[in-house]
Amino acid sequence: GQNIDQPTEMTATEGAIVQINCTYQTSGFNGLFWYQQHAGEAPTFLSYNVLDGLEEKGRFSSFLSRSKGYSYLLLKELQMKDSASYLCAVRDPTGGFKTIFGAGTRLFVKA
Amino acid sequence: DAGVIQSPRHEVTEMGQEVTLRCKPISGHNSLFWYRQTMMRGLELLIYFNNNVPIDDSGMPEDRFSAKMPNASFSTLKIQPSEPRDSAVYFCASSLDLGQVDYGYTFGSGTRLTVV
Repeated sequence: GQNIDQPTEMTATEGAIVQINCTYQTSGFNGLFWYQQHAGEAPTFLSYNVLDGLEEKGRFSSFLSRSKGYSYLLLKELQMKDSASYLCAVRDPTGGFKTIFGAGTRLFVKA
Repeated sequence: DAGVIQSPRHEVTEMGQEVTLRCKPISGHNSLFWYRQTMMRGLELLIYFNNNVPIDDSGMPEDRFSAKMPNASFSTLKIQPSEPRDSAVYFCASSLDLGQVDYGYTFGSGTRLTVV
């Protein structure tokens, strides 16, 4: 089966660092994505990992361990505008390369 | 680039009516996806096309749902007849799939469908 797990909600303080974890079990694997979705808006692409290790992009970093079926998104120097849902998604080549999304983690950044 | 364009932005319809959602992908993208998002089920893939050909429609809930992509610049998702449980936000997304995607999908603004 296919399963992507991430925490439902997290709260962090402005200026701090937060790590959002994601574990996955899918039939196949061809990459892991993180998307940001503000309330009432469409998801927007943040990062893509296909090899093990850390990918850094400004204040955001994403890590992948394929052997553990595990990823995390690290947000540094949190800003109020980072309050949003963060969706972990796995590209599964089984049956044609579809991307399966987790339920998302709602992040609340407080002053 | 105008991005992925969906219409309408909002649709309210009565149960039993036919609903047609429209999508114009980004020019040059060769893959198009229809997703449905609800609080209970999150983002669910309904169907996706590659080079205008449906590749996987296993996520289409039932025969009431159908999708077409007559050309590279237009796709429709039709629900007939609509039911209250179809109420959700429907997103269209497109991407340039060259075998290894590293820039993800571009989503449209979505159509918020309410069936009463």
